[in-house]
Amino acid sequence: KQEVTQIPAALSVPEGENLVLNCSFTDSAIYNLQWFRQDPGKGLTSLLLIQSSQREQTSGRLNASLDKSSGRSTLYIAASQPGDSATYLCAVYNTDKLIFGTGTRLQVFP
Amino acid sequence: GAVVSQHPSWVICKSGTSVKIECRSLDFQATTMFWYRQFPKQSLMLMATSNEGSKATYEQGVEKDKFLINHASLTLSTLTVTSAHPEDSSFYICSARVNSASEQFFGPGTRLTVL
Repeated sequence: KQEVTQIPAALSVPEGENLVLNCSFTDSAIYNLQWFRQDPGKGLTSLLLIQSSQREQTSGRLNASLDKSSGRSTLYIAASQPGDSATYLCAVYNTDKLIFGTGTRLQVFP
Repeated sequence: GAVVSQHPSWVICKSGTSVKIECRSLDFQATTMFWYRQFPKQSLMLMATSNEGSKATYEQGVEKDKFLINHASLTLSTLTVTSAHPEDSSFYICSARVNSASEQFFGPGTRLTVL
């Protein structure tokens, strides 16, 4: 059974810091991996989708990497801003389903 | 493109009543729609997968008679919570995809509160 874990569970950093969020999964036979952002009480915003044949994707200040063999993905956020405060979820496409990680709650303070 | 809507965005109901939540794909045809539930400070848990014109496939532990899913068209799926109880209070999110090779696009969610 696929299990997706995110570390750390919560993170509080000052504005301007570069930070790394970690995601690990137990079954490396995944199709794609996707990172989402969720603001309190809101739905999901897709950030980056990495296909299984890719090793990384970049969008603005965000960079996501994927290492299927080790069952890991990282989301790198450069020059963090207070507006980045949210919960970040990684999810893996495993056969026909999307399995979500436990999430990292990020707070960036001015 | 790839917009998914949900209605209502929030609903409050009395215990014992039934509540229907709609999920629509606005600009694409969705052969498959998914329903997730999210409790406070927890991640999303898949409840069921529905394919247009077929019966939904429920995840282990999800009561199919309590959570009725109808995927009658390629743009609409409904989730009906029957005889709702306070423990059914949660955030319900749907997603939709064009085919098995495409990514899922998520709706904004529906907050259900059962008194």
